[in-house]
Amino acid sequence: SAVISQKPSRDICQRGTSLTIQCQVDSQVTMMFWYRQQPGQSLTLIATANQGSEATYESGFVIDKFPISRPNLTFSTLTVSNMSPEDSSIYLCSVVQGGGEPQHFGDGTRLSIL
Amino acid sequence: SQKIEQNSEALNIQEGKTATLTCNYTNYSPAYLQWYRQDPGRGPVFLLLIRENEKEKRKERLKVTFDTTLKQSLFHITASQPADSATYLCALVDPSGGSYIPTFGRGTSLIVHP
Repeated sequence: SAVISQKPSRDICQRGTSLTIQCQVDSQVTMMFWYRQQPGQSLTLIATANQGSEATYESGFVIDKFPISRPNLTFSTLTVSNMSPEDSSIYLCSVVQGGGEPQHFGDGTRLSIL
Repeated sequence: SQKIEQNSEALNIQEGKTATLTCNYTNYSPAYLQWYRQDPGRGPVFLLLIRENEKEKRKERLKVTFDTTLKQSLFHITASQPADSATYLCALVDPSGGSYIPTFGRGTSLIVHP
């Protein structure tokens, strides 16, 4: 299965700043996703990162707040913009090799906003 | 509204016993269901997938059942070990809305006592 590296693993940020999270996969994958996981909550899909085009965002998530890039089939970034304490969460990258296949996750980025 | 329900209370069992975790769903027509394991500070790891036309799936000490009439999946770990302690997430894939992206439950924490 794909090996996914996420950076940074954790960060503490100031209110109003932005942070970019990177997701690198060791092989080409069909689909890449970004999730948020708040304590005691389920994984919530933020968006599907589309290679060469704009990401597809889920209800409640917008591009201005969570811009996403996917320049190729092995790499994606998620930026959390203009952060507030409500953005404190774990952000996870996942990939799927093909339609209907299980997801493979990175270990996440634990983000705290002061 | 659509719901995926997993026990929010931790399941505590004694080593050697069988652990049974439950995943109930409402207003979904899942084509298949996945189970993942998540350890603290790590991303979820895929364990098993069961399709709607399968009643039961096994992998080593793991067994999953899927009852589309009861709208329920049960996840069993036989001869449980302390190393099985983790949070277990179920995820549904319901393609009736045109998407094969799974929707995750909140997970149930399993604690196996030596």
